[in-house]
Amino acid sequence: ETGVTQSPTHLIKTRGQQVTLRCSSQSGHNTVSWYQQALGQGPQFIFQYYREEENGRGNFPPRFSGLQFPNYSSELNVNALELDDSALYLCASSPGQGIVEQYFGPGTRLTVT
Amino acid sequence: GEDVEQSLFLSVREGDSSVINCTYTDSSSTYLYWYKQEPGAGLQLLTYIFSNMDMKQDQRLTVLLNKKDKHLSLRIADTQTGDSAIYFCAESETDKLIFGTGTRLQVFP
Repeated sequence: ETGVTQSPTHLIKTRGQQVTLRCSSQSGHNTVSWYQQALGQGPQFIFQYYREEENGRGNFPPRFSGLQFPNYSSELNVNALELDDSALYLCASSPGQGIVEQYFGPGTRLTVT
Repeated sequence: GEDVEQSLFLSVREGDSSVINCTYTDSSSTYLYWYKQEPGAGLQLLTYIFSNMDMKQDQRLTVLLNKKDKHLSLRIADTQTGDSAIYFCAESETDKLIFGTGTRLQVFP
């Protein structure tokens, strides 16, 4: 059974640019959540997708957007990057709507200069 | 609003027990979780407890929940150097997890 995978591992972008991060959910999981983890902090919920629909959103501006595809993989897009967007972006999948068991990928480290 | 608090740091000797504490504010949380994060890695789900339980044991891990005081603890028996990591407590709220800032556990020989 393949776990949650994310790409790329690391990314460096310039302020004002746009970025797309990708996540493949664990086999059989139809729910994907994205979190942002700033250095020294706990993860903060960005949003969740269930069967290709956004199913909840945290306190993040609209320049953070996402997609979920029919195979349940997902993308996180961030427009107009700011320095404070530098963080570890974590994707988590779960086997159904709701979050009883949520399994995380290794994350994408984004640095904005 | 929701808030989860943890102490920042814990240092224990190899072979001793570690106890990591957490307090949370949302009394409607259905599940409470413990995750482990090693340097440069994602989060590993260690265990979770349903809110109507007081205790859950899983091998070296024991979770205690005091719902009245909104206090959660994780006890690691016979702590090993491989247990050195950051441990996050989290509470569930509808569609998301609310995490604490993490407790860094350092195990010394």
